[in-house]
Amino acid sequence: AQKVTQAQTEISVVEKEDVTLDCVYETRDTTYYLFWYKQPPSGELVFLIRRNSFDEQNEISGRYSWNFQKSTSSFNFTITASQVVDSAVYFCALSEASTGGFKTIFGAGTRLFVKA
Amino acid sequence: NAGVTQTPKFQVLKTGQSMTLQCAQDMNHEYMSWYRQDPGMGLRLIHYSVGAGITDQGEVPNGYNVSRSTTEDFPLRLLSAAPSQTSVYFCASRKSGLYTEAFFGQGTRLTVV
Repeated sequence: AQKVTQAQTEISVVEKEDVTLDCVYETRDTTYYLFWYKQPPSGELVFLIRRNSFDEQNEISGRYSWNFQKSTSSFNFTITASQVVDSAVYFCALSEASTGGFKTIFGAGTRLFVKA
Repeated sequence: NAGVTQTPKFQVLKTGQSMTLQCAQDMNHEYMSWYRQDPGMGLRLIHYSVGAGITDQGEVPNGYNVSRSTTEDFPLRLLSAAPSQTSVYFCASRKSGLYTEAFFGQGTRLTVV
């Protein structure tokens, strides 16, 4: 069965610290996509990145980077030099080919507090 | 562009009342979904639709009905509200395909007393 686990419920850091948000997934599919979404205090979820199961290249976008490792079924998200505006809830999500991509399953989310 | 629009933003219901949460998207997306967000549980899928006239159940469908008569609209009906349905509800839409990202509405905060 598909499952996404974000073991860190809340993380608190001071501005300019680096922080890594963990995501571990379970799936029997060989074809799937992983996503990260951000939910700022305003409430609306915003897409950050997707990664398919055949592409294990790490990705960097500004202060954000993602590390995908199939061997450990993990898709971790690192924010470098965190800023107060990074304070939000971050969700990891999984979409499997066997469900036609219809059902995107989300983790419980990690709430990040960045203090000035 | 409006994107995904949900109404109302806030609602208080009494136990046993029924109501419909509205969701409309103007991006011509085939897929639409309803999620509920509860503390510590993330987003759980209630119902989803892959096109007009086609709907199916997600993880937590009990107590909710949906229909999809047009591509644009995907209303969620609470048949007889219960306190356990107190939650924040999100509607999302996506283009068809495994890889497509979801666009979310601003959410409806529902309290059942």
